[in-house]
Amino acid sequence: AQSVTQPDIHITVSEGASLELRCNYSYGATPYLFWYVQSPGQGLQLLLKYFSGDTLVQGIKGFEAEFKRSQSSFNLRKPSVHWSDAAEYFCAVGWTGGFKTIFGAGTRLFVKA
Amino acid sequence: SQTIHQWPATLVQPVGSPLSLECTVEGTSNPNLYWYRQAAGRGLQLLFYSVGIGQISSEVPQNLSASRPQDRQFILSSKKLLLSDSGFYLCAWSKDRGTNYGYTFGSGTRLTVV
Repeated sequence: AQSVTQPDIHITVSEGASLELRCNYSYGATPYLFWYVQSPGQGLQLLLKYFSGDTLVQGIKGFEAEFKRSQSSFNLRKPSVHWSDAAEYFCAVGWTGGFKTIFGAGTRLFVKA
Repeated sequence: SQTIHQWPATLVQPVGSPLSLECTVEGTSNPNLYWYRQAAGRGLQLLFYSVGIGQISSEVPQNLSASRPQDRQFILSSKKLLLSDSGFYLCAWSKDRGTNYGYTFGSGTRLTVV
């Protein structure tokens, strides 16, 4: 069965430091992969998505993610974190012909001054 | 442009009372529609999805039901709320096969059952 694992429940980084949020998936074929961000009390916003092609994808708000098939990973990165990036981040996986998307448990990002 | 509306934003209901949460989408036709629940500090649990009017798929047996009376309207209901129904409810839509495009989420409804 398809699954998504986000190993880090929460992460704290200093403002201006780089960020990497980890995501591992379980799926036999090439998945569709997504990262979403959720600010407190709000819905989720799509940051970026991977379907095929270039394994490094760019998203909104300066985020990028890299698909590594050999590691079944789709880690989210940002070179310099801003205080406004503090939020919860969800990795998600979908697949060809499927109606559903499976979400990870989320990683809460704290940004310290 | 497409927009999704979800209401109410906050709701406090007594145990045993009914529930109706509404979600509407504008600017698109024949969307796939989804209801998710997010418990405090946890991920998203898919409750229902719909690929067309009157077509509802339930993912988890529970105290809730869903209906799609119109193409762009999705309603989450309960006849008698339980304490365990408390949570943050999110409606989402996607074009065609949702996995190809990603979801657009509403702003959510915070439900507290007391």
